[in-house]
Amino acid sequence: GIQVEQSPPDLILQEGANSTLRCNFSDSVNNLQWFHQNPWGQLINLFYIPSGTKQNGRLSATTVATERYSLLYISSSQTTDSGVYFCAVGSGGGADGLTFGKGTHLIIQP
Amino acid sequence: GAVVSQHPSWVICKSGTSVKIECRSLDFQATTMFWYRQFPKQSLMLMATSNEGSKATYEQGVEKDKFLINHASLTLSTLTVTSAHPEDSSFYICSVHPRAVGGYTFGSGTRLTVV
Repeated sequence: GIQVEQSPPDLILQEGANSTLRCNFSDSVNNLQWFHQNPWGQLINLFYIPSGTKQNGRLSATTVATERYSLLYISSSQTTDSGVYFCAVGSGGGADGLTFGKGTHLIIQP
Repeated sequence: GAVVSQHPSWVICKSGTSVKIECRSLDFQATTMFWYRQFPKQSLMLMATSNEGSKATYEQGVEKDKFLINHASLTLSTLTVTSAHPEDSSFYICSVHPRAVGGYTFGSGTRLTVV
């Protein structure tokens, strides 16, 4: 199956800093999503981005499908951005579920 | 977008008992639903794919007799953890794929603790 690697595994930043999270995947995909998991476990969908670039406020994401990687950018970090960020990919067109990376644990210090 | 409701949010049960978790697709008819499991400080792993009106398909290493899945309608899938043991304590979360919106939508999850 598809392998998903996220980096870095842990990241500690001061409030106001910018960060880049990376997701590498081992095969072609037709689904790629970035999630933020809050302390209660809920998965917040940040981006559905199998290719291209999207922006939503302080967050943006880019997926280069031909090179099999995606990047999540967080600008002007806030303490509420803390948590675990997951990249998840799928190749079955919605029939097969998602394969998740191990996540990046982000801590934003005031 | 699609809304997925999962119930209960958390449950504590005694070892040896069974627990049922419900996943409802509130505004979307889901012929397929997905069940994931997340152990503490780990990632989410797909456990099984629930198919409306037919048997679920399980990922390698997941015991189908222990994790019973029923998908009797287009809006409801249930996961029953039978004869639960402490090692089954985990976060269980379901998902659907409403094609119209792109991507997968997840429920809020169920935290199971077996004592």
